[in-house]
Amino acid sequence: QLQLQESGPGLVKPSETLSLTCTVSGGSISSRSHYWGWVRQPPGKGLEWIGNIYYSGATYYNPSLKSRATTSVDTSKNQFSLRLTSVTAADTAIYYCARVTSAITTQGAFDIWGQGTLVTVSS
Amino acid sequence: DIQMTQSPSSLSASVGDRVTITCRASQSITTFLHWYQARPGKAPKLLIYVGSTLQSGIPSRFSGSGSGTDFTLTISNVQPEDFATYYCQQSYSVPYTFGQGTKVEIK
Repeated sequence: QLQLQESGPGLVKPSETLSLTCTVSGGSISSRSHYWGWVRQPPGKGLEWIGNIYYSGATYYNPSLKSRATTSVDTSKNQFSLRLTSVTAADTAIYYCARVTSAITTQGAFDIWGQGTLVTVSS
Repeated sequence: DIQMTQSPSSLSASVGDRVTITCRASQSITTFLHWYQARPGKAPKLLIYVGSTLQSGIPSRFSGSGSGTDFTLTISNVQPEDFATYYCQQSYSVPYTFGQGTKVEIK
């Protein structure tokens, strides 16, 4: 059964870069049927889509992040990663990685999620 | 960006009740609408995708309907494990956007 697990620092200083990795187990990240995505949830707030990446490296981002977000994929390690630069307290959130359906008729549903990791931005 | 508006923001229900949550998009999204359940400390779970298709492993008491701009999620015979927050999400266009959530609480 496919599983996703986020990893990375739980505390990041303001103005620095947040870096997270999602490890995919029980299946291949090179699936042609799926994208891989990041979603975050600030404390007490709703869900916000950050971006998606395909195994080939094609990416889509939320413009609200003003080009601060970058995702990458490492097929040899079955991992994908998120970098968010110039973080502020507003970036404090639980960060989830997820698998995203990519078939034309069902695209864009987050069908498998990691457990999430809390990242706090504070000095 | 496409705005997703859920109603109500919260509701109280008793075990065995029928619950309906609505989600409205600011423009037509055809059927690219998905529903999730989120419980504290747990990853969100996909319940329904493309408007009305039940995700594998999800109980049949969950159902979804709608197309265009108006969608509903119905939970018939609410069970104790269904008390959670529910989100809709559109994938018709980037950026994907979520509704603000509907919290279903025990009456």
